[in-house]
Amino acid sequence: LAKTTQPISMDSYEGQEVNITCSHNNIATNDYITWYQQFPSQGPRFIIQGYKTKVTNEVASLFIPADRKSSTLSLPRVSLSDTAVYYCLVGDPGYSSASKIIFGSGTRLSIRP
Amino acid sequence: DVKVTQSSRYLVKRTGEKVFLECVQDMDHENMFWYRQDPGLGLRLIYFSYDVKMKEKGDIPEGYSVSREKKERFSLILESASTNQTSMYLCASSLVRGGQETQYFGPGTRLLVL
Repeated sequence: LAKTTQPISMDSYEGQEVNITCSHNNIATNDYITWYQQFPSQGPRFIIQGYKTKVTNEVASLFIPADRKSSTLSLPRVSLSDTAVYYCLVGDPGYSSASKIIFGSGTRLSIRP
Repeated sequence: DVKVTQSSRYLVKRTGEKVFLECVQDMDHENMFWYRQDPGLGLRLIYFSYDVKMKEKGDIPEGYSVSREKKERFSLILESASTNQTSMYLCASSLVRGGQETQYFGPGTRLLVL
């Protein structure tokens, strides 16, 4: 099973770019990398998913090096509302994929004015 | 928008009671999941289901059972609630498209077992 390692917490300021790195040394060939965001008292919310190189959407960018043993979630110009826990997951989509998906403890991001 | 709803936001039960947590999704998703979330432990998978009447154990199934009689509904059952089952319970459904899977979560049920 591909386990992920993330920093427990990070602090930043409004308007800054924040990069959260996740290590997944045992990632398998068919695994995708997915990031979720969770606010207090809410369920996690999908942010971005990728397999290799770079993926960008309206919320974030995801950078994946060629060896795929790590990935970096990049949040441009953060605001106070980006304060949340961010989870990095690796998993192989499919009917029996759930047992291969591990959420881990996530990174608690705190944004200050 | 995908909507995943859970029957209760907060529940208080007594030790030994049978507890039912209901989850409904409105997007015709095949896969549904139950997780529990505890401080410092992240989300841990209890059970999941990839079709009606199908279920598979996750990482921590002990003390729980599930039921999926209809595609849109996935129930988590605590046969005899214990204090160590006090937790936040999260239900999710997922869409697999183009080789990628996205999970959609409900708001969670915070269960307190006294």
